[in-house]
Amino acid sequence: NAGVTQTPKFQVLKTGQSMTLQCAQDMNHNSMYWYRQDPGMGLRLIYYSASEGTTDKGEVPNGYNVSRLNKREFSLRLESAAPSQTSVYFCASTEYQRGGGTEAFFGQGTRLTVV
Amino acid sequence: GENVEQHPSTLSVQEGDSAVIKCTYSDSASNYFPWYKQELGKGPQLIIDIRSNVGEKKDQRIAVTLNKTAKHFSLHITETQPEDSAVYFCAASKNSNYQLIWGAGTKLIIKP
Repeated sequence: NAGVTQTPKFQVLKTGQSMTLQCAQDMNHNSMYWYRQDPGMGLRLIYYSASEGTTDKGEVPNGYNVSRLNKREFSLRLESAAPSQTSVYFCASTEYQRGGGTEAFFGQGTRLTVV
Repeated sequence: GENVEQHPSTLSVQEGDSAVIKCTYSDSASNYFPWYKQELGKGPQLIIDIRSNVGEKKDQRIAVTLNKTAKHFSLHITETQPEDSAVYFCAASKNSNYQLIWGAGTKLIIKP
C-alpha cells in the first residue's frame, strides 16, 4: 500500500517549457487535490477533483490545468512555465471519516524550479 | 467562505518545555478540526483531530482544545523533544463541504 505517489520529485524547467506532474493513489479515495507550498504561505489549493470525472478550480488555478484520468490518477500540467511557478507541489487524496471529518493523505512533493 | 488563521508563524521553545499553537476559524458551521505535522522534505501528516462535539482530546504528549463559542482551537505539545521540530498546520471543514481549509502553518523549533 503505497498511499499517494508523486512523480517527479525534483524538476528544473526553463521559462516557457511545459511539463506534467503525475499523482496516483491506491486507497480508492474519491477526492484528489493539487496544492502548492511557498515559504511562509502554507498550502494553497490549485485544483481539486471531488470525484472521477469532475475538476474544479481552487485558490490559485492560473497557469495550470488538471486531468482526472481515472479514480486513481490526477495530473497537473504547466503549459508554459513561469518563474512565479517555482514552488513545492503536493498532491493529496481525502477520505471521509465515519463520525464526520476528512483525512488528507499527501504525496512526498515535487520541488519545481523554473529558471 | 471559511477562513482559518494560525499563530504564531514561528515558535521556538526549549527542549522539555511546552508549545502551544493557536487557530481561529470564521465559519460557525465548521465541525471538524485536524492538525497536521510536516517534517522536512515530506508531505503533511495527520497527528490529531477534534470534532465539534468534544472540547478536548489527548494523545500522549499532544492535545487539542476547542472553544466553539470563541471559534478557536489550539494544539498543545508537552515535554517537547527534538523530533517535534516541524511545521504544523491546522485546518477546518464542515459536513456540507468536505474540503479542508488550511491555516498558514507554524514552524516549531525545539532548542537543545
